[in-house]
Amino acid sequence: DQQVKQNSPSLSVQEGRISILNCDYTNSMFDYFLWYKKYPAEGPTFLISISSIKDKNEDGRFTVFLNKSAKHLSLHIVPSQPGDSAVYFCAATARGGADGLTFGKGTHLIIQP
Amino acid sequence: EAQVTQNPRYLITVTGKKLTVTCSQNMNHEYMSWYRQDPGLGLRQIYYSMNVEVTDKGDVPEGYKVSRKEKRNFPLILESPSPNQTSLYFCASNWGGPYNEQFFGPGTRLTVL
Repeated sequence: DQQVKQNSPSLSVQEGRISILNCDYTNSMFDYFLWYKKYPAEGPTFLISISSIKDKNEDGRFTVFLNKSAKHLSLHIVPSQPGDSAVYFCAATARGGADGLTFGKGTHLIIQP
Repeated sequence: EAQVTQNPRYLITVTGKKLTVTCSQNMNHEYMSWYRQDPGLGLRQIYYSMNVEVTDKGDVPEGYKVSRKEKRNFPLILESPSPNQTSLYFCASNWGGPYNEQFFGPGTRLTVL
């Protein structure tokens, strides 16, 4: 049973517009959520995170929103830039990270000029 | 430079020939883990280690072994590789606290013929 779901395998957005990547989870024990970005031939790199006690976290062009009642989070990138083209993974953890991270399948974001 | 290194980066081998993929981190992190990435399946955790001599199974441990004799090293061992272990492998580390922002290595692409 997939506990972290990213239902859009790919997303195409025009440069300068907003990119919205979605993630749903089923495990109510998850208390911390992270987004990772991955370029081809490289390991994933941490982008932004949010604790379950918050509903929003912002870092520059990146904002993550958490809706606990819906078990849904989203990553907003504004404005989208060509360098944002990558695969984005949503991940979640419980019990302070003792069990490691559970990842979604990823969304390939393509920023078009 | 703070980093996670993996060796080799690429490996082609044959079924049944034992192999080891090394992983080393220079950040004095307590927590280390191994993931595999497969098309359409995202990142799945194989094994993790919360400290020296402490290891535990992740979501897909079958066919793999690990050891954690030193804090900095966490090798992944395939005693008898099979073609279904052809994958892209990532090692990761973090300090093991509640904010599980793992640092990933560059990846090892393994092909088992």
